Amino acid sequence: NAGVTQTPKFRVLKTGQSMTLLCAQDMNHEYMYWYRQDPGMGLRLIHYSVGEGTTAKGEVPDGYNVSRLKKQNFLLGLESAAPSQTSVYFCASSSQASGETQYFGPGTRLLVL
Amino acid sequence: RKEVEQDPGPFNVPEGATVAFNCTYSNSASQSFFWYRQDCRKEPKLLMSVYSSGNEDGRFTAQLNRASQYISLLIRDSKLSDSATYLCVVIGSNDYKLSFGAGTTVTVRA
Repeated sequence: NAGVTQTPKFRVLKTGQSMTLLCAQDMNHEYMYWYRQDPGMGLRLIHYSVGEGTTAKGEVPDGYNVSRLKKQNFLLGLESAAPSQTSVYFCASSSQASGETQYFGPGTRLLVL
Repeated sequence: RKEVEQDPGPFNVPEGATVAFNCTYSNSASQSFFWYRQDCRKEPKLLMSVYSSGNEDGRFTAQLNRASQYISLLIRDSKLSDSATYLCVVIGSNDYKLSFGAGTTVTVRA
């Protein structure tokens, strides 16, 4: 099993460009999450999904959109990138509602110039 | 006020030493508590859950103090491989979203 994978691993964007980050999990997990991690801030939840076809806003959803068309995939979109979105993005998944054990992907490092 | 706060450190300790640090949380209704470990430029991984009665996992001991709203992690007989950032994680009641602390960095030197 690959666990949780993310693509791309690293990306540089110019302000105003758009992109999509892909998260895939092969553990048949119902719950999936997108976080961003910034220095001194800890991980902050952007959006999450409790099942195929459902999404919900997290703590810092502005400027991002998500889709969960297939159970194994969770996409994070940036429609018009801003320098404030420079960050490390982690996807995670879990099988339990409690989210006790969240399995994280390796992260995507995004730099917006 | 942040939901979860940690001393960022760094805690620099020699091999074999004991190191301990705390994490405070603001929501008194929080139900579940965890410690995750994050190595440099890697993803977080679950280290251990924190139970009301306290629990041990080898050289690691976690404690919960509900009255003062903090959890602690103690590492005994530190190894070089324990060098990492330790993230405190809290889940509120009726909620499955994790709140992360910013992390405490531990560096174990030879």
